[in-house]
Amino acid sequence: QVQLVQSGAEVKKPGSSVKVSCKTSGGTFSNYAINWVRQAPGQGLEWMGGIIPIFVTPKYAQKFQGTVTITADESTSTVYMEVDRLTSEDTAVYYCARAAGWVSAPTDWGQGTLVTVSS
Amino acid sequence: QSALTQPPSASGSAGQSVTISCTGTSSDVGDYDYVSWFQQQPGKAPKLIIYDVNKRPSGVPDRFSGSKSGNTASLTVSGLQADDEADYYCNSYAGINTPCLFGTGTKVTVL
Repeated sequence: QVQLVQSGAEVKKPGSSVKVSCKTSGGTFSNYAINWVRQAPGQGLEWMGGIIPIFVTPKYAQKFQGTVTITADESTSTVYMEVDRLTSEDTAVYYCARAAGWVSAPTDWGQGTLVTVSS
Repeated sequence: QSALTQPPSASGSAGQSVTISCTGTSSDVGDYDYVSWFQQQPGKAPKLIIYDVNKRPSGVPDRFSGSKSGNTASLTVSGLQADDEADYYCNSYAGINTPCLFGTGTKVTVL
């Protein structure tokens, strides 16, 4: 059974960075897509970007180009998502979600990581 | 690329049906048969209930069904039950640069 386990909640100051991890187990790592989806309080789901580790190069939604970096560590089956230059608008729950490829719907989700940006 | 458009809310009595629309464009919903639907209960991660327009993952009841016509996809929940109360999101593949595009979300209430 596939499991995605994310790192714990974070509280950050405006202007700082946050790095969230997503460790996968129970399935193939390298040729599956790991997507990052965020949900601001009371708002909808928003795709930020993703990576298929075997292809190395991540994809990003236009809105997050330049502020978000997604990387994968095949040795630990872990994907990381870093957000730079945090503002209060980045306060949200961040989910990782695994899909069989770019055209496939995400079938397995992490538990979510709450990132709070506050001075 | 803009989010797919869903009605903010929908409701139905227990046992009845509710249908939620998801309107996109000829560059996403209208161009690919890669529309999926997710159910999200409060405080929980989304759960996949429909993929590839009308396929159900194992374990999802056949009360949930999906369809598509042109640029609009639809999710129908038949025989509404109390635990169907949740937020529902559509999602579409929108090309190589935007492989994942979500809808605005619909809150379903069971009366």
